[in-house]
Amino acid sequence: DVKVTQSSRYLVKRTGEKVFLECVQDMDHENMFWYRQDPGLGLRLIYFSYDVKMKEKGDIPEGYSVSREKKERFSLILESASTNQTSMYLCASSFGQSNEKLFFGSGTQLSVL
Amino acid sequence: DQQVKQNSPSLSVQEGRISILNCDYTNSMFDYFLWYKKYPAEGPTFLISISSIKDKNEDGRFTVFLNKSAKHLSLHIVPSQPGDSAVYFCAASVSTGGFKTIFGAGTRLFVKA
Repeated sequence: DVKVTQSSRYLVKRTGEKVFLECVQDMDHENMFWYRQDPGLGLRLIYFSYDVKMKEKGDIPEGYSVSREKKERFSLILESASTNQTSMYLCASSFGQSNEKLFFGSGTQLSVL
Repeated sequence: DQQVKQNSPSLSVQEGRISILNCDYTNSMFDYFLWYKKYPAEGPTFLISISSIKDKNEDGRFTVFLNKSAKHLSLHIVPSQPGDSAVYFCAASVSTGGFKTIFGAGTRLFVKA
């Protein structure tokens, strides 16, 4: 089975802190994604990557950046955390074509105080 | 503007009966549709998908119906079981349009024993 592992289940940070969310997948997938899930809004795509060192903006990239130095690892960075970034963050990976099913991690619930 | 809409935030069904979850979309370019299931404290997991060249796809107790003219799809679960209680997300993508999968807001299904 594909395993997508997110480094933290819960995180509490203060406004203005730099926050790193880490994600690792073990199935050699080319594509990796970061989504945030908010009540009533579903999952919204922040950034994705289809290859090492490649990144593309999703629908809500403002306030975020990403890093993909190795194929199995995709990091989401909040340069200066704000309260409106309090959310559930979900990492996902997929193989091959763009419409392939996504494999998700368990999520990181981030609270910014 | 939400391109994928799940207008029912929640649905309650008796065990053994049929559960019908609905989803509407606005972008006529979408040609691949997926349903994901999410339990608390877990990431979404892929359930079933359908290509726009079909109008029905079945997998065990789960059937997805697609009505392209109405831009509507539905997920039928028959018979419903208490273990089906979860949040169900409808998702859509354009197979030649890159890596964006657009998700609905989700419907929480309660199956009562």
